[in-house]
Amino acid sequence: AQKVTQAQTEISVVEKEDVTLDCVYETRDTTYYLFWYKQPPSGELVFLIRRNSFDEQNEISGRYSWNFQKSTSSFNFTITASQVVDSAVYFCALSEEGTGGFKTIFGAGTRLFVKA
Amino acid sequence: GAVVSQHPSWVICKSGTSVKIECRSLDFQATTMFWYRQFPKQSLMLMATSNEGSKATYEQGVEKDKFLINHASLTLSTLTVTSAHPEDSSFYICSAKTSGRPQETQYFGPGTRLLVL
Repeated sequence: AQKVTQAQTEISVVEKEDVTLDCVYETRDTTYYLFWYKQPPSGELVFLIRRNSFDEQNEISGRYSWNFQKSTSSFNFTITASQVVDSAVYFCALSEEGTGGFKTIFGAGTRLFVKA
Repeated sequence: GAVVSQHPSWVICKSGTSVKIECRSLDFQATTMFWYRQFPKQSLMLMATSNEGSKATYEQGVEKDKFLINHASLTLSTLTVTSAHPEDSSFYICSAKTSGRPQETQYFGPGTRLLVL
């Protein structure tokens, strides 16, 4: 069965600090997809990144970077030099094509507070 | 990028009434649509999956007679909360997926906040 664990419920940092959001997943499938989404107070999900299970390359996009390690089933997200606008809830998600069809499961989310 | 809209964005209703929420894919054909519910400070929970022209598949614990889903066209799915009660107050989010590549990509709507008084 699919499972996504985001152990950090809330993180509070001061502006310009680096922060890493953890994500650990469980799946029996060899083909799956991992995502990170940002949910600001407005509620609309903002897509940040998608990774498939065959691509373990780390990725950097501006101040954002992602570390995908299949050996530890982790897909961690780092924000470098955090800004107040980064304050939001961040969700890690896992998608796979199971016997019941395509399904996406979300982690519990990590609420990030960036203080000026 | 692909766009998914939801209407209404906000709805307040009296207990016992039914509420319909629309989810539209604006620039692509959505063969599959998903409905999620999110309570305050909680995660998104998948309620049901609907394929165009077929009956929806509901997740365990979701009452199909309470949450009616219709996916009559490739661009529209509706969720009707029947006889709504205060405990149905939540943030409802739909998402849509195409049959083409990348198949794993879902596009999310902006959500509908439902408040049942």
